[in-house]
Amino acid sequence: GAVVSQHPSRVICKSGTSVKIECRSLDFQATTMFWYRQFPKQSLMLMATSNEGSKATYEQGVEKDKFLINHASLTLSTLTVTSAHPEDSSFYICSASGDRNQPQHFGDGTRLSIL
Amino acid sequence: RKEVEQDPGPFNVPEGATVAFNCTYSNSASQSFFWYRQDCRKEPKLLMSVYSSGNEDGRFTAQLNRASQYISLLIRDSKLSDSATYLCVVNMVSDSWGKLQFGAGTQVVVTP
Repeated sequence: GAVVSQHPSRVICKSGTSVKIECRSLDFQATTMFWYRQFPKQSLMLMATSNEGSKATYEQGVEKDKFLINHASLTLSTLTVTSAHPEDSSFYICSASGDRNQPQHFGDGTRLSIL
Repeated sequence: RKEVEQDPGPFNVPEGATVAFNCTYSNSASQSFFWYRQDCRKEPKLLMSVYSSGNEDGRFTAQLNRASQYISLLIRDSKLSDSATYLCVVNMVSDSWGKLQFGAGTQVVVTP
């Protein structure tokens, strides 16, 4: 069964809307979660590392004011795409691991379409 | 140059045949390696970790060549359900909390 749950799986909304995506670890605690974005036929690109109880670490070129990350508990991280525009349309995926020695598991992904 | 490079394919494979493909990585300090499988419009799912000595999981065999900086995946007795995109994933640190570098994927299409 899924160990990382992501919600919603699909979002279609108008330009200018803010969209919140949740990532939950279901049966383990995750101090660190990762947020990725994937455009069609391209590789997953890490956007930011979400750290429980502290600020997220953003990758170069990712606007922290545009993509707000909150990791309020050991089982939940949220990504908010603020004032989304059509170019933000993409597949957003989170990942987490409960154990440093175990590979990361991915959430179901959120397909975001901005009209 | 990309950190992780893969042949995008597609590799068209008759059912029951064997297919193999490689992935090269640019950073010699890379620590851990994985193959993930991604079905169309779905999230990646871990297929197998890749160990230095090579490892096998059923019909899947993974190899690591640190000297030449590549990893490989071989699928024996291909099934229709093996059709997917296979992502090569490299981690710069030895534990899972490091940042993963993804290849763009190799598409495999198994045909009846």
